[in-house]
Amino acid sequence: AQSVTQPDIHITVSEGASLELRCNYSYGATPYLFWYVQSPGQGLQLLLKYFSGDTLVQGIKGFEAEFKRSQSSFNLRKPSVHWSDAAEYFCAVVHGGATNKLIFGTGTLLAVQP
Amino acid sequence: EPEVTQTPSHQVTQMGQEVILRCVPISNHLYFYWYRQILGQKVEFLVSFYNNEISEKSEIFDDQFSVERPDGSNFTLKIRSTKLEDSAMYFCASMGFSNEQFFGPGTRLTVL
Repeated sequence: AQSVTQPDIHITVSEGASLELRCNYSYGATPYLFWYVQSPGQGLQLLLKYFSGDTLVQGIKGFEAEFKRSQSSFNLRKPSVHWSDAAEYFCAVVHGGATNKLIFGTGTLLAVQP
Repeated sequence: EPEVTQTPSHQVTQMGQEVILRCVPISNHLYFYWYRQILGQKVEFLVSFYNNEISEKSEIFDDQFSVERPDGSNFTLKIRSTKLEDSAMYFCASMGFSNEQFFGPGTRLTVL
């Protein structure tokens, strides 16, 4: 069965530092991959997505992610973190089939130190 | 920019009561979903709906749950007899042909 693993439950970075959030997936075929961000008490906002093609995808708010098939990974990166980036980040994979339901990882909570 | 809306934003109910959570998907979308997120846990798929019928449901989506698209615009999730463990944030999502699901802001359900 498809699954998504986010190994880091909680990460703290200093404002201005670079960020990498890890995501590994288990999926037989070429996956559709997503990163969502959830601010406290808010809904899920799509940061970026990968369907095919260029393995480095750009998203909103200065985020990017790289699909690495050999490592079954889709890590999220940002070169310089802002205090407003503090939130929870979810990696997700489309299950496939007719419904396209999303399978989410457990999330990584990002704290940003001044 | 079109968006998914959900009402109410917060619902408090007594155990055993029925609740209906409402969603207005993006108007030209054809696929509709409900997900839930228990506090501190990951987002879980509940049900998908296409062409006026359920296309897939999870193990969580038992006989106490039902979905409906009563008027071609709203998409509702009904919980017939709420339990304490139904307390969660419920997200509605809709999708067109882009394989991208757009999420609403969620309804926080508190069962007392």
